[in-house]
Amino acid sequence: EVQLVQSGAEVKKPGESLKISCKGSGYSFTSYWIGWVRQMPGKGLEWMGIIYPGDSDTRYSPSFQGQVTISADKSISTAYLQWSSLKASDTAMYYCARRSGPWAFDIWGQGTMVTVSS
Amino acid sequence: QSALTQPASVSGSPGQSITISCTGTSSDVGGYNYVSWYQQHPGKAPKLMIYEVSNRPSGVPDRFSGSKSGNTASLTISGLQAEDEADYYCSSYTSSSTVVFGGGTKLTVL
Repeated sequence: EVQLVQSGAEVKKPGESLKISCKGSGYSFTSYWIGWVRQMPGKGLEWMGIIYPGDSDTRYSPSFQGQVTISADKSISTAYLQWSSLKASDTAMYYCARRSGPWAFDIWGQGTMVTVSS
Repeated sequence: QSALTQPASVSGSPGQSITISCTGTSSDVGGYNYVSWYQQHPGKAPKLMIYEVSNRPSGVPDRFSGSKSGNTASLTISGLQAEDEADYYCSSYTSSSTVVFGGGTKLTVL
């Protein structure tokens, strides 16, 4: 079964760092781009960026460039999204998703809820 | 880049048809045939319903169809069913080699 499994919910304080993960299985992880999508509470989907695990080519939405870092470790079929200094406004559900050929996301992780509160 | 424009809400009765619009610019929707539609039920991850404007992934009912004219894409759901009640999001590839989502539309089945 093709699936993406994300790491569990996190509760952090402002200023702390965080790295969440997305592990792919059931397909060739290095052959598909993995994207990250933010959904703030009660709000819509926002595209953050995307990485090609085969060579770590990465692209960011202008809104998230410099705010987060996307990386991947192809040896363990895992993509990451990280923050160096969290803010309360980073509180959201974060989804990873596999990009199929035509710039659509066909497989989604279950989501990781990140709560940032003092 | 600005989010694509969708109506906040639409509604319809079981058996009826509804259409959700998604308006962008020539740098996204109008410039590429890479418009997708996603369905999201409360508390669940989004699900791909339409890709490349009008193609359905395996397993998606043919009641769901997509189209595009100029800078506006549309999702039509015919023969509405109770389980279609959900949020729907469009997305498009952009000239910046990124992806932009629409603001989302809440579909209510009356």
